[in-house]
Amino acid sequence: NAGVTQTPKFQVLKTGQSMTLQCAQDMNHNSMYWYRQDPGMGLRLIYYSASEGTTDKGEVPNGYNVSRLNKREFSLRLESAAPSQTSVYFCATQYEGEQPQHFGDGTRLSIL
Amino acid sequence: GNSVTQMEGPVTLSEEAFLTINCTYTATGYPSLFWYVQYPGEGLQLLLKATKADDKGSNKGFEATYRKETTSFHLEKGSVQVSDSAVYFCALLVNSNYQLIWGAGTKLIIKP
Repeated sequence: NAGVTQTPKFQVLKTGQSMTLQCAQDMNHNSMYWYRQDPGMGLRLIYYSASEGTTDKGEVPNGYNVSRLNKREFSLRLESAAPSQTSVYFCATQYEGEQPQHFGDGTRLSIL
Repeated sequence: GNSVTQMEGPVTLSEEAFLTINCTYTATGYPSLFWYVQYPGEGLQLLLKATKADDKGSNKGFEATYRKETTSFHLEKGSVQVSDSAVYFCALLVNSNYQLIWGAGTKLIIKP
């Protein structure tokens, strides 16, 4: 079982470029999340989707957009990349309620 | 508000030493508490959890007890191995919206 699959694993962008990070899950989980991880700051929630067709802002949504395409897929888009968005991005899924979250392996994004 | 505070790392120990990584929290209500582990180059994995006061979560030789009176959830292991080298994250689940609040992470280095 693949679990949570993130693509790409690595990406280098120039300031002002756009790109979409993809996340797909095969666990039939209802909720999906996008986090960014920066040194010494733990994980910060960018956006989440509690169910198919719904999305909500997290702690740090500025500069990002998301799409919950269907139950399996949740994408994160950077419309105009900035160096401050250099980070490791993680997608996570959760069945419901108090169940634990399951993570992908991350996308390492550098913006020059 | 809700928050999680972890001891700063890195924590460096010799193999077979006793491990404690401190975690304290501030929360309204009765959150669930989690420890996640992140091995180099990978996403986060659930290590253990506790859902109510005095519960003890355990897995792979690690233990943590939910102490409501001290608002703590310290991670312990009696004899660490080189393979335990990783970053450990404490997190709490806010029941009102099922969002995870993360600590900054503690890097653990085990020397042979």
